[in-house]
Amino acid sequence: GAVVSQHPSRVICKSGTSVKIECRSLDFQATTMFWYRQFPKQSLMLMATSNEGSKATYEQGVEKDKFLINHASLTLSTLTVTSAHPEDSSFYICSARDWRGGLDTQYFGPGTRLTVL
Amino acid sequence: AQSVTQLGSHVSVSEGALVLLRCNYSSSVPPYLFWYVQYPNQGLQLLLKYTTGATLVKGINGFEAEFKKSETSFHLTKPSAHMSDAAEYFCAVTPVDSWGKLQFGAGTQVVVTP
Repeated sequence: GAVVSQHPSRVICKSGTSVKIECRSLDFQATTMFWYRQFPKQSLMLMATSNEGSKATYEQGVEKDKFLINHASLTLSTLTVTSAHPEDSSFYICSARDWRGGLDTQYFGPGTRLTVL
Repeated sequence: AQSVTQLGSHVSVSEGALVLLRCNYSSSVPPYLFWYVQYPNQGLQLLLKYTTGATLVKGINGFEAEFKKSETSFHLTKPSAHMSDAAEYFCAVTPVDSWGKLQFGAGTQVVVTP
């Protein structure tokens, strides 16, 4: 299957700093990527839809000024957590939508563990 | 609004025994349905999905699931568990008119004992 990578896999930062997480589709172009977060013992929650060349669309309750999403190329979307606080500590997972061959499939990255001290 | 319920956060099954993971959804219109598996330190991998057509769907690694509209269910089964099936399993749905926006269940951790 297709490969989606995330970088970094783990990050620890101080409260008030900003953290950038990258999501890359390695062997296909993805016009649409999705960002999810997962708290311990909980399910994945969709945060936003990232569209190449246009603004991201955010789910209800997700602060767009806090979670900045940039999808500047067909293989890269970035999520920046601005002025991070301990409550932002979570597991962030991206997925990329693959339309090749007429099949519409989402491939997920391995996730990024963010810890805010 | 739709929701996904997975019964049982942890399931222990003996090697060779039947694996049954339950998933029910709540939606005014039947959504598209998915099962994903997550191995430690890896991304979610699609096991199978139901969109239209035959309600019994076969996936990878010997798994299958049946969509039952009357029961709003999409339970996942495998006749004989292998040690390699130990992982976390997620049921997910996406609205027909908003494809891609997955809503996940809480997940079920499967432990396989020798």
